[in-house]
Amino acid sequence: DQQVKQNSPSLSVQEGRISILNCDYTNSMFDYFLWYKKYPAEGPTFLISISSIKDKNEDGRFTVFLNKSAKHLSLHIVPSQPGDSAVYFCAARPNPLRETSYDKVIFGPGTSLSVIP
Amino acid sequence: EAQVTQNPRYLITVTGKKLTVTCSQNMNHEYMSWYRQDPGLGLRQIYYSMNVEVTDKGDVPEGYKVSRKEKRNFPLILESPSPNQTSLYFCASMPGGGLYNEQFFGPGTRLTVL
Repeated sequence: DQQVKQNSPSLSVQEGRISILNCDYTNSMFDYFLWYKKYPAEGPTFLISISSIKDKNEDGRFTVFLNKSAKHLSLHIVPSQPGDSAVYFCAARPNPLRETSYDKVIFGPGTSLSVIP
Repeated sequence: EAQVTQNPRYLITVTGKKLTVTCSQNMNHEYMSWYRQDPGLGLRQIYYSMNVEVTDKGDVPEGYKVSRKEKRNFPLILESPSPNQTSLYFCASMPGGGLYNEQFFGPGTRLTVL
């Protein structure tokens, strides 16, 4: 049973518009959430993160929103650029103070974003 | 340059022929991990290590072995590879003990088992 879900395998967006990538999780022990970006033939690279004490974290064009009650987070990219075309993975970690396997990171299946010029 | 390196990047082998994929990091990270990426399944953790001589199973450890004799190296061993281990493999490292750390990934190893 997948603990981290990304229900949209792919997404196409016009350049300059907003991209919204969604992620849902089932384990209430998750306390820290990360987004990774992956280009073909490369390893994933860290993009942005959020801890459960926040509901929003912003870094330039990238904003992550967390709704703990709904166990849902989303990544907003504004404005979208062709160079943002990649696979985006949502990942979650348990609270290290509450869960001994805190370094066990769980990844979602990924969403492939295409930004059309 | 801070990095995680993996070798080989591409490997085609036959069923049952033992192989090792090496992983090395130069960031003095305590934590290292192996993942496999398969279509529709994302990244699934195979094994991880929180420090030298400390390893633990991830979600899909069957058919794999690891060792952590030195801090910088974390090889993945397939004693008797099978076709269902054809996949894209990533090694990652992370500073240990922190609350809010992200992982650094290697470039990947594409393995085909015939």
